[in-house]
Amino acid sequence: AQRVTQPEKLLSVFKGAPVELKCNYSYSGSPELFWYVQYSRQRLQLLLRHISRESIKGFTADLNKGETSFHLKKPFAQEEDSAMYYCALSGISGNTPLVFGKGTRLSVIA
Amino acid sequence: SQTIHQWPATLVQPVGSPLSLECTVEGTSNPNLYWYRQAAGRGLQLLFYSVGIGQISSEVPQNLSASRPQDRQFILSSKKLLLSDSGFYLCAWRPTDRGNSPLHFGNGTRLTVT
Repeated sequence: AQRVTQPEKLLSVFKGAPVELKCNYSYSGSPELFWYVQYSRQRLQLLLRHISRESIKGFTADLNKGETSFHLKKPFAQEEDSAMYYCALSGISGNTPLVFGKGTRLSVIA
Repeated sequence: SQTIHQWPATLVQPVGSPLSLECTVEGTSNPNLYWYRQAAGRGLQLLFYSVGIGQISSEVPQNLSASRPQDRQFILSSKKLLLSDSGFYLCAWRPTDRGNSPLHFGNGTRLTVT
């Protein structure tokens, strides 16, 4: 079974401080991992996926299969980063469902 | 380009009444379609997904059902709504070819059961 755990419901950091949103997963096959973000009054949207290995809006995430983690990091938080962040997991087949964690609300304080 | 339409945006229904939420996708064929419910403290809960016409997988046993009468149409239904069905419902699609394809979400429907 697929399972995604985001242990923090709410994370508050000061502007300019580093940010780490934790995500751990459980999956018997080869996982595909994603981070989605929902800004206030906006549609839920893809932030990044592990296969792309890119930095989006200063955020990066590395898939650690040994620790079954896909933590989202940013060295210097900005106020506009305040949003709801969801970690998600899928199998390598496009026909496997995408399962989400419960989300972490990031609040960046000026 | 591909677009996803979901309606209505908001809905207030009495307990015991039926429900029908509709979602359509344009600009692609044979997409995988999904219904999620978003609730505070519960995150995004996968309700149903479909990999083809008439093929529905249910993730959570409940008072709801889903149907896919056409390739790009996905409907969420209930015969008799419960108070606990209140929530924010999101439809989404993604291509069928790869597991790393991202989901594209609709704007959602806010359902309030009174």
